[in-house]
Amino acid sequence: DQQVKQNSPSLSVQEGRISILNCDYTNSMFDYFLWYKKYPAEGPTFLISISSIKDKNEDGRFTVFLNKSAKHLSLHIVPSQPGDSAVYFCAASGSSNTGKLIFGQGTTLQVKP
Amino acid sequence: NAGVMQNPRHLVRRRGQEARLRCSPMKGHSHVYWYRQLPEEGLKFMVYLQKENIIDESGMPKERFSAEFPKEGPSILRIQQVVRGDSAAYFCASMTSDNEQFFGPGTRLTVL
Repeated sequence: DQQVKQNSPSLSVQEGRISILNCDYTNSMFDYFLWYKKYPAEGPTFLISISSIKDKNEDGRFTVFLNKSAKHLSLHIVPSQPGDSAVYFCAASGSSNTGKLIFGQGTTLQVKP
Repeated sequence: NAGVMQNPRHLVRRRGQEARLRCSPMKGHSHVYWYRQLPEEGLKFMVYLQKENIIDESGMPKERFSAEFPKEGPSILRIQQVVRGDSAAYFCASMTSDNEQFFGPGTRLTVL
């Protein structure tokens, strides 16, 4: 039962353009959502998060949008840079589930110079 | 302030041997989560521990796997009688009081 889904295994964009990574979830009890970035042979690094009481959170080049009615969130990176090339995981947690994170399968982003 | 530390970074075991993975959380953190990442998949929650207590082990396989976080020393994830299907990257994360999880670099276990 995949509660958090990232349906695009990979995405390729040109440097300077916008990258949009998508994530869907099924559990309506999730109330906190996070995006992590992961390079090969390293652990995930926290990027940005959003609480379910908000629909948008912005931090520099990164913006996360949350559509609760559609159970969908997206990460926008603009402008994209070659150093952004990595695997991006979305994750969710609920206040009632001890803080454990439920991860999507990941999307590999390649930003071409 | 050192980050989350895991060792070893790479571990090779033959089928039937035991694997011990260690995780030292960030200084001042007393909550540790263990996750497993199988090839081509996302991270899957295994267990959540606080000092000397297992809080949530709903993601742990029922057999061969155990975890502890003693009062002193690192958290240990122990896998007995390893099988090839245990080959994966194992990550631990420690958590701040405001629920942000910081991940270690992982231990890559290979079972021959």
